[in-house]
Amino acid sequence: EAGVVQSPRYKIIEKKQPVAFWCNPISGHNTLYWYRQNLGQGPELLIRYENEEAVDDSQLPKDRFSAERLKGVDSTLKIQPAELGDSAVYLCASSLVTGTWHEQYFGPGTRLTVT
Amino acid sequence: AQSVAQPEDQVNVAEGNPLTVKCTYSVSGNPYLFWYVQYPNRGLQFLLKYITGDNLVKGSYGFEAEFNKSQTSFHLKKPSALVSDSALYFCAVSENTGGFKTIFGAGTRLFVKA
Repeated sequence: EAGVVQSPRYKIIEKKQPVAFWCNPISGHNTLYWYRQNLGQGPELLIRYENEEAVDDSQLPKDRFSAERLKGVDSTLKIQPAELGDSAVYLCASSLVTGTWHEQYFGPGTRLTVT
Repeated sequence: AQSVAQPEDQVNVAEGNPLTVKCTYSVSGNPYLFWYVQYPNRGLQFLLKYITGDNLVKGSYGFEAEFNKSQTSFHLKKPSALVSDSALYFCAVSENTGGFKTIFGAGTRLFVKA
């Protein structure tokens, strides 16, 4: 079974430039998550989708971040414009939420460096 | 709101010795508890979970965790550490708020010396 796929793996951009990350979850998983992980810290949730609906985006900086999940499958996270503080690893995860079962499966992440 | 704490930034243990990585949590309702492991340049991998039932939960790679409701703890354990267990370990807690919101701890780096 293929895992969660993310691209690109690495991205270096100058501040004020736009950037986009792509995620393909595990087939059949109904819930998709985007996290940001700063160095030495645990992942912090940016947005959670249940199928196509964004059900928790309270931690998403909406002035510069946007996300979409087309047809309840692939997802894209965008930053425009990027700031120096956005440098981090952006993780995508998916899960099949049934009853109380909701362990998450993570992609390898995209390491973003903003210069 | 839920929270999770991993009081140790790093745990050092000799190969063959037992290991414990500590985790405490706070939730208003029933907790759903997880451990994940992160190897260098890789995403987090699910190790084990506690939903309900037996307080001792067994997971991948010989790891287990003990749920202690009175101490609000969920410590990760392994009877005999391997050098290959060296990695970053994250404890996580979920709460059902009309959907499961998961909070991750800051992580504990485990270093197993040969």
